[in-house]
Amino acid sequence: GENVEQHPSTLSVQEGDSAVIKCTYSDSASNYFPWYKQELGKRPQLIIDIRSNVGEKKDQRIAVTLNKTAKHFSLHITETQPEDSAVYFCAASGNSGYSTLTFGKGTMLLVSP
Amino acid sequence: DSGVTQTPKHLITATGQRVTLRCSPRSGDLSVYWYQQSLDQGLQFLIQYYNGEERAKGNILERFSAQQFPDLHSELNLSSLELGDSALYFCASSVATSGSLVTQYFGPGTRLTVL
Repeated sequence: GENVEQHPSTLSVQEGDSAVIKCTYSDSASNYFPWYKQELGKRPQLIIDIRSNVGEKKDQRIAVTLNKTAKHFSLHITETQPEDSAVYFCAASGNSGYSTLTFGKGTMLLVSP
Repeated sequence: DSGVTQTPKHLITATGQRVTLRCSPRSGDLSVYWYQQSLDQGLQFLIQYYNGEERAKGNILERFSAQQFPDLHSELNLSSLELGDSALYFCASSVATSGSLVTQYFGPGTRLTVL
């Protein structure tokens, strides 16, 4: 089955800096890659996703890039703000015909004012 | 608010007991997924139902079972509970099972504490 590795496990940045979180996946048939943000005790919230026919997608301060050849995808957050502090999860959906997601173990992002 | 609802919000029970967690998907969504989130395990996929039928199984223990009813709500049953079953249990829903409409929206979760 699919295996998703996520790095780093913890990332501390100063407000205004950029943050990058990287994930690799194992199943070359995976075709959908969402990113979720989870605040303490809350539900995971979808912040951006990318499908395998696209190399990059942006939404304001957030961008995701996908390299299918290398089987990795990354989340980029620019001009970070304290409210960006949360745990971020990447996930990959295989092409088995079903939409199950395999999640990375998460990155705790801490943005200091 | 994702539109996915879960009850109860919190559940405290003893080892050996059985509990039922309930999930109502977003209006129009046919797929329901259950996840377990422990501190050291991240989000573990348990099981998926689509329009009443089981579609995929993940790391679900034999002590756990689920079903999806004709009105599309789903229940996750956990029996012979152990201390290690203490976790956040999330339900998610999506419109379809495959293709482009696979975005999953999560409910608020049920925090289960087994004493």
